[in-house]
Amino acid sequence: QITLKESGPTLVKPTQTLTLTCTFSGFSLSTSTVGVGWIRQPPGKALEWLAVIYWDDDKRYSPSLKSRLTITKDTSKNQVVLTMTNMDPVDTATYYCVRRRGGTSWADSWGQGTLVTVSS
Amino acid sequence: QSALTQPPSASGSPGQSVTISCTGTSSDVGGYNYVSWYQHHPGKAPKLMIYEVTNRPSGVPDRFSGSKSGDTASLTVSGLQAEDEADYYCSSYAGSSNLGVFGAGTKVTVL
Repeated sequence: QITLKESGPTLVKPTQTLTLTCTFSGFSLSTSTVGVGWIRQPPGKALEWLAVIYWDDDKRYSPSLKSRLTITKDTSKNQVVLTMTNMDPVDTATYYCVRRRGGTSWADSWGQGTLVTVSS
Repeated sequence: QSALTQPPSASGSPGQSVTISCTGTSSDVGGYNYVSWYQHHPGKAPKLMIYEVTNRPSGVPDRFSGSKSGDTASLTVSGLQAEDEADYYCSSYAGSSNLGVFGAGTKVTVL
């Protein structure tokens, strides 16, 4: 059974850096084609891909957010970490951790998500 | 504004069918056979229902089917059941420089 779980702060102040951790089980990020990524959904708005990291350390970012995002992995801990700098109230959203296979465009497993509010 | 356009709501009675549309452009939906659909019950993890326009992952009932014509993809839920009441999101590949685009979601209500 594949599970993914997001953890991190629920409240961050404007200009701060957000650090989210995805802890997963049921698969390995050292397996060929496997990737773990992040998707977010602001309240009442559409889902948005943020970043994906693959088994071979290939990293892909949303073009519009690339300058603010960093994604890393710790294969031994089954964890992926996303950092987003210079947080703004418009970044308030539910952030989801997902699994994505290389060469595909869909997320085949999702975490439940974590709501991050940006407010002073 | 979402990259893909979905109706905000759809409804049907138990046993009936409901179809949700997802309209994009030739740069996403119309250009590739990489449309996927997700079901989301609030408070739970979203679930992949359809990938590559028509394919169902293991465990997804065959009541769920996908199709595409031109720049518009569709998800049909046949034989509606109470448990199908949820939000549904479409997504599409949009080129190698893009991770993908989503619709804003459609809330399906079982009357």
